[in-house]
Amino acid sequence: QSVLTQPPSVSGAPGQRVTISCTGSSSNIGAGSDVHWYQQLPGTAPKLLIYGNNNRPSGVLDRFSGSKSGTSASLAITGLQAEDEADYYCQSYDSSLSGFWVFGGGTKLTVL
Amino acid sequence: QVHLVQSGAEVKKPGASVKVSCKASGYTLTNYYMHWVRQAPGQGLEWMGIINPSGGSTNYVQKFQGRVTVTSDASTNTVYMELSSLTSEDTAMYYCARRGGYDFGWFDTWGQGTLVTVSS
Repeated sequence: QSVLTQPPSVSGAPGQRVTISCTGSSSNIGAGSDVHWYQQLPGTAPKLLIYGNNNRPSGVLDRFSGSKSGTSASLAITGLQAEDEADYYCQSYDSSLSGFWVFGGGTKLTVL
Repeated sequence: QVHLVQSGAEVKKPGASVKVSCKASGYTLTNYYMHWVRQAPGQGLEWMGIINPSGGSTNYVQKFQGRVTVTSDASTNTVYMELSSLTSEDTAMYYCARRGGYDFGWFDTWGQGTLVTVSS
């Protein structure tokens, strides 16, 4: 059971827009902790996709964007492409005893 | 360019210990904290602990307290994670990941992962 809650799966057709939610609590996202997102392609290590709620590292396409409000955050992917099919994880910092840096359970994106 | 290269796959028997290495290049090890994260087969990411290579201070998630030890060696730009009293539930891919950014930061660079299999 993850501290941050994500839907197990989302799907969309090529060219469409999808969003992935990440719900936390008053001890992490709601306490003002930033949310970061990672993309994990099959058989590879995770890769930083969004940092500080809505910032893209160099090299990440502007089809990917993040937002945060209250105790939740979202990742949006526009112009969906086959190569976007991957697992996506949100991550934040939790100030309770549950353990410092925390991840969501991950969301499998399927491009139909 | 920043790279983290981890040691190779390990197969261990229950009750044994495993030590995974993570060699950093392209930056000064002591300037950035290093995390360890694991991922059981078909499961999500689980944060294990963090080390400040400048001084060696560590923090571990309560679940692993007493079983995990993270150390660093600035002379070889390498961070190590040792996990003891292994059980089948420790079978997982183990990643080192550099802490980037400000405040509590984020995981800006990841190693390729080290598969640890625990089996009798």
